[in-house]
Amino acid sequence: GQNIDQPTEMTATEGAIVQINCTYQTSGFNGLFWYQQHAGEAPTFLSYNVLDGLEEKGRFSSFLSRSKGYSYLLLKELQMKDSASYLCAVRETDSWGKLQFGAGTQVVVTP
Amino acid sequence: DVKVTQSSRYLVKRTGEKVFLECVQDMDHENMFWYRQDPGLGLRLIYFSYDVKMKEKGDIPEGYSVSREKKERFSLILESASTNQTSMYLCASSSPQGATFDEQFFGPGTRLTVL
Repeated sequence: GQNIDQPTEMTATEGAIVQINCTYQTSGFNGLFWYQQHAGEAPTFLSYNVLDGLEEKGRFSSFLSRSKGYSYLLLKELQMKDSASYLCAVRETDSWGKLQFGAGTQVVVTP
Repeated sequence: DVKVTQSSRYLVKRTGEKVFLECVQDMDHENMFWYRQDPGLGLRLIYFSYDVKMKEKGDIPEGYSVSREKKERFSLILESASTNQTSMYLCASSSPQGATFDEQFFGPGTRLTVL
């Protein structure tokens, strides 16, 4: 089984940077996903890390340290439309692609 | 453009009714999943299927069953709906683990209320 922890809520100002941390415990790690979910909508895929290091995709970056069971999602140059819930999800080996999700971090961007 | 569709966005049912939630994907994905999402609990896996007619229990299968007669369609069945099954239900699909792009794609969700 897995325990996945991420903060419940974070608030930041438009134009700022926010870092959402995710820690996990798993018996056989095979990838970590970040999803974005706007209120009332489906989650949409943001990033995937399976090796240690930083993956950058425009204003969003995701980092992974497998030895520490730790990942973060970095949102730069925040825009109002970035107000959403951000979900961390871990996949185990031999799991048929199943994901275990954290409870999500609600990011509120203020003017 | 990849697409996962669900039969209803909103559904209201009475306690004891049999409820069918349908999910269809047009990406020829092998894997399909049913989750429920509740505040503070995140997404929890109910059932998943890795092939036609194949199904596996997720973390919270009690009170639910599933059917996958065709590759593109995965149905969630509440045999006798109860108020504690009021929730947002999300369907997802993906390529097999290890495929080049194997992230899960989600449908828009069905908000089910059981009275």
